[in-house]
Amino acid sequence: DAGVTQSPTHLIKTRGQQVTLRCSPKSGHDTVSWYQQALGQGPQFIFQYYEEEERQRGNFPDRFSGHQFPNYSSELNVNALLLGDSALYLCASTLWGANYGYTFGSGTRLTVV
Amino acid sequence: GNSVTQMEGPVTLSEEAFLTINCTYTATGYPSLFWYVQYPGEGLQLLLKATKADDKGSNKGFEATYRKETTSFHLEKGSVQVSDSAVYFCALISWDGNNRLAFGKGNQVVVIP
Repeated sequence: DAGVTQSPTHLIKTRGQQVTLRCSPKSGHDTVSWYQQALGQGPQFIFQYYEEEERQRGNFPDRFSGHQFPNYSSELNVNALLLGDSALYLCASTLWGANYGYTFGSGTRLTVV
Repeated sequence: GNSVTQMEGPVTLSEEAFLTINCTYTATGYPSLFWYVQYPGEGLQLLLKATKADDKGSNKGFEATYRKETTSFHLEKGSVQVSDSAVYFCALISWDGNNRLAFGKGNQVVVIP
């Protein structure tokens, strides 16, 4: 049973560019959340998608946007990249309304130069 | 709002020593509590969870008890191994319509042979 898969694993972008990260949730899960983890910090919530709609959003600017597809997979888009966007981006999935926690992917390491 | 506080600083200890990592929380309602572990270069793995007061979560020799009266969820292991070296995150979900994970800053644990 495949867990959460993310692609790519590593990415280097130039300041001002745009990037798209992808996530496939664990089989049976319908809710996807994205987190940003800066070096040495805990993950920070970006947003959550369920039924192809953004359900919640953390304290991130509009440069961060997302999408969920009918097969529950999701994309995270970041426009006008800043050096400070360099981080590990984690995708997590769960079943809406369940209380057993989230399953995380291995993340995408984004470096902005 | 919801928040998680972990003890400051890395933890360095010898193999077979006793490990304790403190975690306290602030939350609305009755949250579910989690410990996640992150090995170098990887995403987060759920280590254990507890969903109501006085529940004890356990896995791989690690334990944590949900203490509502002290709003704590301290992680313990009686005899650590070198393979336990990782970063440990305490987290919560408060099921008040805001079902996002809130994380502590994490603790680096280094076990010396």
